[in-house]
Amino acid sequence: DAKTTQPNSMESNEEEPVHLPCNHSTISGTDYIHWYRQLPSQGPEYVIHGLTSNVNNRMASLAIAEDRKSSTLILHRATLRDAAVYYCILRDPRGSNYKLTFGKGTLLTVNP
Amino acid sequence: GAVVSQHPSWVICKSGTSVKIECRSLDFQATTMFWYRQFPKQSLMLMATSNEGSKATYEQGVEKDKFLINHASLTLSTLTVTSAHPEDSSFYICSAFRQDTDTQYFGPGTRLTVL
Repeated sequence: DAKTTQPNSMESNEEEPVHLPCNHSTISGTDYIHWYRQLPSQGPEYVIHGLTSNVNNRMASLAIAEDRKSSTLILHRATLRDAAVYYCILRDPRGSNYKLTFGKGTLLTVNP
Repeated sequence: GAVVSQHPSWVICKSGTSVKIECRSLDFQATTMFWYRQFPKQSLMLMATSNEGSKATYEQGVEKDKFLINHASLTLSTLTVTSAHPEDSSFYICSAFRQDTDTQYFGPGTRLTVL
């Protein structure tokens, strides 16, 4: 599986935008970029995923570099409830491969 | 949305007993479900892939005779920890794969404590 690299931790202030980076220099052409987050003592929660184009949903935006070697998850206005570990994961859906391999993720702290 | 439930949310048992954890996809059918384990301050580790109507596929190093997985219907997978020991104490999380959104949806997790 192609690897991703994320900062161990980041800090943000409430109501400010947050940009969470992810490097994936060995990404293949068929790898999708998935983002999940995990709040304390809970299962992970799906955030967003994309292949090449930038993606938006009600939770966040995903900005994907033109060469696809990096991506950024954007939370437009951080709230205290966004404090979580954010995981950037690559998955190639070919061959009915549905597995996700979790790395260490980025621990986001949101200050009031 | 896609909802996955787990039961129980926490369980305490004595060493040597078996514990069953249920994972249900409430509003969609899932031919594929997954079981993960997470130790404190660590990331999720995939234990096995549960396929409806067939045998589970276990990751390397996971004892299939100790962690029994049954996926008898399109909405239910169960994980049974047999002869549990204190080192099996962990946070067990399941997920269900939804084909139409190409996304895994996770349950809230089950905290297992073996005394």
